[in-house]
Amino acid sequence: GAGVSQSPSNKVTEKGKDVELRCDPISGHTALYWYRQSLGQGLEFLIYFQGNSAPDKSGLPSDRFSAERTGGSVSTLTIQRTQQEDSAVYLCASSRIGTGGVETQYFGPGTRLLVL
Amino acid sequence: GNSVTQMEGPVTLSEEAFLTINCTYTATGYPSLFWYVQYPGEGLQLLLKATKADDKGSNKGFEATYRKETTSFHLEKGSVQVSDSAVYFCALSDSGGYNKLIFGAGTRLAVHP
Repeated sequence: GAGVSQSPSNKVTEKGKDVELRCDPISGHTALYWYRQSLGQGLEFLIYFQGNSAPDKSGLPSDRFSAERTGGSVSTLTIQRTQQEDSAVYLCASSRIGTGGVETQYFGPGTRLLVL
Repeated sequence: GNSVTQMEGPVTLSEEAFLTINCTYTATGYPSLFWYVQYPGEGLQLLLKATKADDKGSNKGFEATYRKETTSFHLEKGSVQVSDSAVYFCALSDSGGYNKLIFGAGTRLAVHP
């Protein structure tokens, strides 16, 4: 079946603008994760959704970052007033369930964000 | 807090050489351990995993054994191929939490003919 998809694949924006990144998880996966991959920080967890709720937002770096998930499916990560340090590849992953520690997470291809 | 440390790259090998990429972890409880691979131009994909002590994960000729006594999960392959050139990430998932993955810094492997 279809894997995790993300859009756009690339986004170039100017400092101070808002951006929205979209993730379509694998159908039926209740758990959804956002990560960020940057040169300086490696791969970092941002936020976890179980259904439409986000019990773990501990990785969001500032209040400029927010995310929502609707219908237990599509998720949108929003970055307000972008800064140059927000430049990174934003990865979305999904898994069947979000607890127990053993589930495989399936990753999307990522959105490469460049803030000028 | 939980963390993963893996050997720095790049690792450069000739085809058919033996590969070891070291990975050690710090965690409370009983994490699951994973190796993910990122081939050039592609997304992250699971290579193998182990969910409890002494388990061995294996896939595509790669193996890693969950060693609780040494808190390690080293990746090995007996004979690498050019197509194995990629970045390899060791990761752990806290079984008591929400399964968020904690990744190592990644190790770039380059295999030459």
